[in-house]
Amino acid sequence: SQQGEEDPQALSIQEGENATMNCSYKTSINNLQWYRQNSGRGLVHLILIRSNEREKHSGRLRVTLDTSKKSSSLLITASRAADTASYFCATASTGGGNKLTFGTGTQLKVEL
Amino acid sequence: GEEVAQTPKHLVRGEGQKAKLYCAPIKGHSYVFWYQQVLKNEFKFLISFQNENVFDETGMPKERFSAKCLPNSPCSLEIQATKLEDSAVYFCASSQWTGSNGYTFGSGTRLTVV
Repeated sequence: SQQGEEDPQALSIQEGENATMNCSYKTSINNLQWYRQNSGRGLVHLILIRSNEREKHSGRLRVTLDTSKKSSSLLITASRAADTASYFCATASTGGGNKLTFGTGTQLKVEL
Repeated sequence: GEEVAQTPKHLVRGEGQKAKLYCAPIKGHSYVFWYQQVLKNEFKFLISFQNENVFDETGMPKERFSAKCLPNSPCSLEIQATKLEDSAVYFCASSQWTGSNGYTFGSGTRLTVV
């Protein structure tokens, strides 16, 4: 079953704008990860944030984690057409071994 | 190599036939995972291995699905007597023992059962 719910389900923005995606989850976690999936392709790991971290940056990506609300957000700044893809959050639950449970994904479209 | 190699890319099987999918994880990665993606947005965990040992098989429909990771061979996922609902993209991923750098996914095998 899906651990995470993501919103929005779909997001359309103009190139240069920022895109924010949110993820909620249900159980205690060791870490939360964000992945990108281009159409017809596999998942690409973007960033991992541990349960004791609140914010993390990587290039144009900024991830926040609020374990009290069981939620995370992914911000992509200065978006580009090449950022068009589906974005998934995935959690590694405490006591769940190291398997990932995925959210339902946000489809991002960045228009020129 | 630095990629997870999955073969074949596409597989078409008649209902009731067997399907076998292969995955070569990244050398040095101790964990291998299989996921099923249906309808482009739902990933279902199937099974994971620590080296050649089953680590977690809670997602496997055991009556028809089986998987192996043997030394010096690609890992495999086999579906006996496929059903229409098995049509999906099957992804393999591997990670180092800590998983602290995330998982590396293959490009998937698209199984179509007709």
